[in-house]
Amino acid sequence: KAGVTQTPRYLIKTRGQQVTLSCSPISGHRSVSWYQQTPGQGLQFLFEYFSETQRNKGNFPGRFSGRQFSNSRSEMNVSTLELGDSALYLCASSLEGLGQGLDTQYFGPGTRLTVL
Amino acid sequence: LAKTTQPISMDSYEGQEVNITCSHNNIATNDYITWYQQFPSQGPRFIIQGYKTKVTNEVASLFIPADRKSSTLSLPRVSLSDTAVYYCLVHNNAGNMLTFGGGTRLMVKP
Repeated sequence: KAGVTQTPRYLIKTRGQQVTLSCSPISGHRSVSWYQQTPGQGLQFLFEYFSETQRNKGNFPGRFSGRQFSNSRSEMNVSTLELGDSALYLCASSLEGLGQGLDTQYFGPGTRLTVL
Repeated sequence: LAKTTQPISMDSYEGQEVNITCSHNNIATNDYITWYQQFPSQGPRFIIQGYKTKVTNEVASLFIPADRKSSTLSLPRVSLSDTAVYYCLVHNNAGNMLTFGGGTRLMVKP
């Protein structure tokens, strides 16, 4: 079974630009979550999508948004990029989501975003 | 929101048992505990998950005391390939409250 894939793997943008990252979950998984990982703040939860609806949201500004398509693929968008948005962005998929008891999340390799 | 604390780093030798403890003093009744392993340039990989007492799978054991204010990941007979960063995650059963620990960098030496 193919794992979680994320594209692109690396991205360089400048301040003020916007960026869209893509995540393809494991086949059959309906929940996709996004995380930001930085050396300073560690792993932080951005949001979770389930059946094309945002089900949960972390504590990030509205510049961070996402969506999920009918095939469960998900995209994350960051508008008006800031230097502090430089991070590894990870997506994870699971059958029903972390809120459904002991479901297991599988992470993709991440997209390394650098904002100059 | 549960605050999770882990040691920043640990050293071990091949063949030894390694125990990594995560402190989560204000864990809530409906919170679960999950541990992940992460190698450089990769996403975290699921190791084990539990709610209380002891859970064991083919790669690790997870010990959670009765008060659930901490959890210990136990890796039996580590090898060089277990050198990685290990994260604990505390999350509720609604999926909207998640807190990762800062990660423990485990170095296994020959």
